[in-house]
Amino acid sequence: DAGVIQSPRHEVTEMGQEVTLRCKPISGHNSLFWYRQTMMRGLELLIYFNNNVPIDDSGMPEDRFSAKMPNASFSTLKIQPSEPRDSAVYFCASSFGGLLNTEAFFGQGTRLTVV
Amino acid sequence: AQKVTQAQTEISVVEKEDVTLDCVYETRDTTYYLFWYKQPPSGELVFLIRRNSFDEQNEISGRYSWNFQKSTSSFNFTITASQVVDSAVYFCALFIQGAQKLVFGQGTRLTINP
Repeated sequence: DAGVIQSPRHEVTEMGQEVTLRCKPISGHNSLFWYRQTMMRGLELLIYFNNNVPIDDSGMPEDRFSAKMPNASFSTLKIQPSEPRDSAVYFCASSFGGLLNTEAFFGQGTRLTVV
Repeated sequence: AQKVTQAQTEISVVEKEDVTLDCVYETRDTTYYLFWYKQPPSGELVFLIRRNSFDEQNEISGRYSWNFQKSTSSFNFTITASQVVDSAVYFCALFIQGAQKLVFGQGTRLTINP
């Protein structure tokens, strides 16, 4: 298995533009997580899907952020409009049965820079 | 509230030294899981270990060992005979069953010098 695949690896965009981050979880995993990593706040859980349904989105910072999981093999995290403070590394992770039954496998992350 | 504290922001040692990374957690839940992840310079997060709150046995895996003590709410990680390839940021994390959330500590940047 190729692991969790995120794209793009790096994204540089101008303030105000829409940004879409993509994630392909490991086949067979039914839980998907989006995390954000910054120097100031460390790793923060943004949203968690189970069986394609959003279970907890309390970590989504504001309405500019939205996430979808149209099927078991694909998820997107969208920021519209983007702001410089959104600059961070965004990780996607997947697991089977949430985090109880196995460890979460993380993708390599998308480094987002908003200028 | 659930919280993970990694008090050591950065540690630097010389190769072959032993090094211990501290992790202290806070939770009122009786069922929880503790994790350690490694983030090498390439950026990805690599799973190292998971322990549940009912299993306080220490674990050893090669040069890595973990000491889980509920009495002090700690889950410390020791690398024996450190190597340059161990250089990375290490994260301790707490999973609360009720909240279904994985809470990370701030991480400890470990540098192993040749």
